[in-house]
Amino acid sequence: GESVGLHLPTLSVQEGDNSIINCAYSNSASDYFIWYKQESGKGPQFIIDIRSNMDKRQGQRVTVLLNKTVKHLSLQIAATQPGDSAVYFCAENRAGGYNKLIFGAGTRLAVHP
Amino acid sequence: EPEVTQTPSHQVTQMGQEVILRCVPISNHLYFYWYRQILGQKVEFLVSFYNNEISEKSEIFDDQFSVERPDGSNFTLKIRSTKLEDSAMYFCASRNRDSGANVLTFGAGSRLTVL
Repeated sequence: GESVGLHLPTLSVQEGDNSIINCAYSNSASDYFIWYKQESGKGPQFIIDIRSNMDKRQGQRVTVLLNKTVKHLSLQIAATQPGDSAVYFCAENRAGGYNKLIFGAGTRLAVHP
Repeated sequence: EPEVTQTPSHQVTQMGQEVILRCVPISNHLYFYWYRQILGQKVEFLVSFYNNEISEKSEIFDDQFSVERPDGSNFTLKIRSTKLEDSAMYFCASRNRDSGANVLTFGAGSRLTVL
């Protein structure tokens, strides 16, 4: 289940540092924005979502920020751990449908000890 | 923790052959999906399935593709006559009514290689 991408942007961080992964979206009509994580050999795994009428939502060690003015979404991971190493995808969803998640290009997060 | 199980993990087939990819969604889930990921590209929606019928499908999901839930546990994706460009990782996903529209549980994927 690898999502190995020859040209995936990569973010390299030191263990314990904070990570910020960014995503630009195009559809202003999306009602939800979501972050998924894909570890090597596995399928995508839900991390956190945010409704379009919010600008910030916090989870456990993660925060999602939404800037609708510039159509920008970010995922902040506090105190990054080696287990956070994965490819991270942003996705959009429009309420009222049957969950056709539209995924963006991934970003590889590499955590170094 | 409940998992979505997919088989086979890797299938190699000749162009023009039929392929069936199998999925066992989580038992109490009601919504089922297939996505695919061509190497190096985005995860793309193919089809969603609810109440024993297709609820939405993408442009990729043409008449060469079909889905079926033949019994209470399996959910299959059939490609009738494979093309080279069908080579990809195919992910099955499911969700229940209560988890929210954004929270899909994905399987580990089936890698399809068409020669």
